[in-house]
Amino acid sequence: NAGVTQTPKFQVLKTGQSMTLQCAQDMNHEYMSWYRQDPGMGLRLIHYSVGAGITDQGEVPNGYNVSRSTTEDFPLRLLSAAPSQTSVYFCASSSTSEGFEQYFGPGTRLTVT
Amino acid sequence: TQLLEQSPQFLSIQEGENLTVYCNSSSVFSSLQWYRQEPGEGPVLLVTVVTGGEVKKLKRLTFQFGDARKDSSLHITAAQPGDTGLYLCAGVNAGGTSYGKLTFGQGTILTVHP
Repeated sequence: NAGVTQTPKFQVLKTGQSMTLQCAQDMNHEYMSWYRQDPGMGLRLIHYSVGAGITDQGEVPNGYNVSRSTTEDFPLRLLSAAPSQTSVYFCASSSTSEGFEQYFGPGTRLTVT
Repeated sequence: TQLLEQSPQFLSIQEGENLTVYCNSSSVFSSLQWYRQEPGEGPVLLVTVVTGGEVKKLKRLTFQFGDARKDSSLHITAAQPGDTGLYLCAGVNAGGTSYGKLTFGQGTILTVHP
């Protein structure tokens, strides 16, 4: 099993550009989440999904869109990048049968100039 | 919005010392998870505590869940340089519209000097 995979590993964007961060999991987990990690602020939930076709907002959803067309994939779209979105982004999957233990991908380090 | 206050934010100690990290909230969680994160990687689960008053041990690490399920602590005995890393606590919401959402603390950066 590959677990949770994320691409790209690093990305630099100019203000106003859009892009999609890819996330995939092969553990058949029903839950998937996107977090951003900033110094001194732990992990903050952006969006999450409880299954294909179902998404919900987290703590910091503004400026981001998600969709979940399959159980495996959960892409995160930045609509118009801003310097405030410079961060490290983590995708995670989890299951109710495992007590919502989060399996994290390796992260994407995004810089917006 | 549920909040988890984690303290201290930074901890720098010598090898062999003991330490405790605290995670406090005014909200009740169904369970509390502790993660450890290495630079450049995603967090990895250390333990989940579920029952109020529960104590779990993982080698030199002892985790405790408060009786009211609002707070937790991580105690490390005789810290070693290999314990260096970022420690995160996370509360699991298991009811209503927040089902399955996690709330993370701010993290504790632990450095253990040889």
